[in-house]
Amino acid sequence: EAQVTQNPRYLITVTGKKLTVTCSQNMNHEYMSWYRQDPGLGLRQIYYSMNVEVTDKGDVPEGYKVSRKEKRNFPLILESPSPNQTSLYFCASSLTGQGDWEQYFGPGTRLTVT
Amino acid sequence: GQSLEQPSEVTAVEGAIVQINCTYQTSGFYGLSWYQQHDGGAPTFLSYNALDGLEETGRFSSFLSRSDSYGYLLLQELQMKDSASYFCAGLWQGGKLIFGQGTELSVKP
Repeated sequence: EAQVTQNPRYLITVTGKKLTVTCSQNMNHEYMSWYRQDPGLGLRQIYYSMNVEVTDKGDVPEGYKVSRKEKRNFPLILESPSPNQTSLYFCASSLTGQGDWEQYFGPGTRLTVT
Repeated sequence: GQSLEQPSEVTAVEGAIVQINCTYQTSGFYGLSWYQQHDGGAPTFLSYNALDGLEETGRFSSFLSRSDSYGYLLLQELQMKDSASYFCAGLWQGGKLIFGQGTELSVKP
């Protein structure tokens, strides 16, 4: 089954404790992206990747890191989480980032930082 | 800058037609897509316009006018299950994708 998977689905952590949210897709998609969703603010892009070893900042990259060493995986790293990073996070992928626009979203990761 | 604007909420009755508008800033704009999201769920792709005009997919249609920096999503024969949030999303050159803040659609019996 074609899908985007994220882990964990729910995470409660404390300020400053490094964490990684994994994202994997099995569709051989080139484009992958991370978003955060907060009430009233819609979906905001954190980072995106047009292909392996190519990553770019989205609208809200501060406090986040990403890497794209393999085509299928695009982990999101919070080196020192803070309470303002409490949010619902979505990973998404699409065939390319230049015209094939159907983005497939993962189920989401609800992160709480205390 | 890169931003999109859409109404925060729309209400309509079952069986009716509703239009959700989206305006955007033009600099470097590539095309417009639409997503649906039910409470607690992941967004799902509905439609995409790279060129001016109307794209139809079943009960859903989407329209783009580059000259007016404007697009809309049209939902026909509304059903209760269409109650959800709808997002327009613009792709800018280089691959950056910007979402509007979302329109919450309530379908009443």
